[in-house]
Order: sequence, then C-alpha cells, then structure tokens
Amino acid sequence: GAGVSQSPRYKVAKRGQDVALRCDPISGHVSLFWYQQALGQGPEFLTYFQNEAQLDKSGLPSDRFFAERPEGSVSTLKIQRTQQEDSAVYLCASSSRRTGGREQYFGPGTRLTVT
Amino acid sequence: AQTVTQSQPEMSVQEAETVTLSCTYDTSESDYYLFWYKQPPSRQMILVIRQEAYKQQNATENRFSVNFQKAAKSFSLKISDSQLGDAAMYFCAYRSSNAGGTSYGKLTFGQGTILTVHP
Repeated sequence: GAGVSQSPRYKVAKRGQDVALRCDPISGHVSLFWYQQALGQGPEFLTYFQNEAQLDKSGLPSDRFFAERPEGSVSTLKIQRTQQEDSAVYLCASSSRRTGGREQYFGPGTRLTVT
Repeated sequence: AQTVTQSQPEMSVQEAETVTLSCTYDTSESDYYLFWYKQPPSRQMILVIRQEAYKQQNATENRFSVNFQKAAKSFSLKISDSQLGDAAMYFCAYRSSNAGGTSYGKLTFGQGTILTVHP
C-alpha cells in the first residue's frame, strides 16, 4: 500500500472490554513498532517486531497488553480488560530495515477511549 | 536509558518569519540518530529532518535546518520562512545506532512543542 494504515481510527470501549487494534505496514517492511501516545504527550514505545518475531516487548505496560504479527505483515495489538488509563492514541510504524532504518513511517493512529 | 527533553510546550511565529524549537537529550552512547517529526492535528507523524551523530555538518532540508551540538547534547530545529502549513506539534526523537544490540531502532520522543503560525 501507499502507507501505513490502522483500523479502527476511533474506538470507544467500556471499562473491562477487550479491544483489538490493527496495523497494516508498508508492504515488505521488516520492522514494525507500536507506540502509545497519551493526550498532549510524545509517543512511548510499546513493542517491536522483526518480521513475525516479537523481539522487544519491554514497553508493554501490563500483561493485559498483547501484540502479534503471525505472518510478518499485519499486526494486531490487543488490550484485555481495558482500564481508563489505557485511553490514548496507539501508533504503528514500520521500517524497511531490521535496525529501524533511516526512517520509520507512521500510521494515522487509533484513538482509544475507555469509558 | 536515553531521555529527550523539549522545554517549550508552545511556540508561535508570524508567517514568513523564522522560529527555533529546542531539544536536549541525554545519552551515554557516542553514535546515534536524532530526528524531528511533525504531527499535524490529523495525527499522521511525518519525518521533517534527521541527523546522524557522527556527522559534524548540520542537516538541512529546504526551509528546515538543525543546530546539532553534540557536546552540549542539544538539537534545535530552525524553520525559516514559516508557512501556515507548518503549524503542528513537533517532536524531537532519539534513536540508538546500536545495530548489533537490542535497540532495534525504537524511538525515544520528547514531550513535543505546539507550533502556531500566525498569518
């Protein structure tokens, strides 16, 4: 595709519900990153995939957060039993290189609101 | 761990004027990359300019240039001839160049600076 796409763009969840956020990276990109961006703040790293392997999940805030990329392309970030503090924009980025490349290309993000 | 600090929550500039956004960072590494990203209200993050730490020459991209002071760990962005379309949130970001290590190229962002451009 022309760029990184994410769906849904907006998601409202009631506290305690599970949500799944999808990221379609640029075709052929090896590296995929998830970031969490709280309102008015800079993005914070959540997790990293190199192809289908999740090599770094040190930024996931709790065991309620789970990410996968089973075929090395599309990735899903799942949040179980959502809490109000999970409200944020979730950004996905991809890069053509294993080490992040010279540029990460970002998607438009999914704004999650937990009520 | 690396940290990135942007001390200007908001800045404003008149159209056609010049504005400088500040960024400082802390790292023990000697080789790394620094970036400025622009995030308009639509939220799509766009790369503005990148600087490799091993390069002494400051990066420039058209109206955008940086002042990279490695010893001071400072990385400011200068926007010349500001345009209405420059209005956005600007983020400074750091990336380790430790290709053989475990950084994997993840970005560490500052808190951002909201830039307003007045006509």
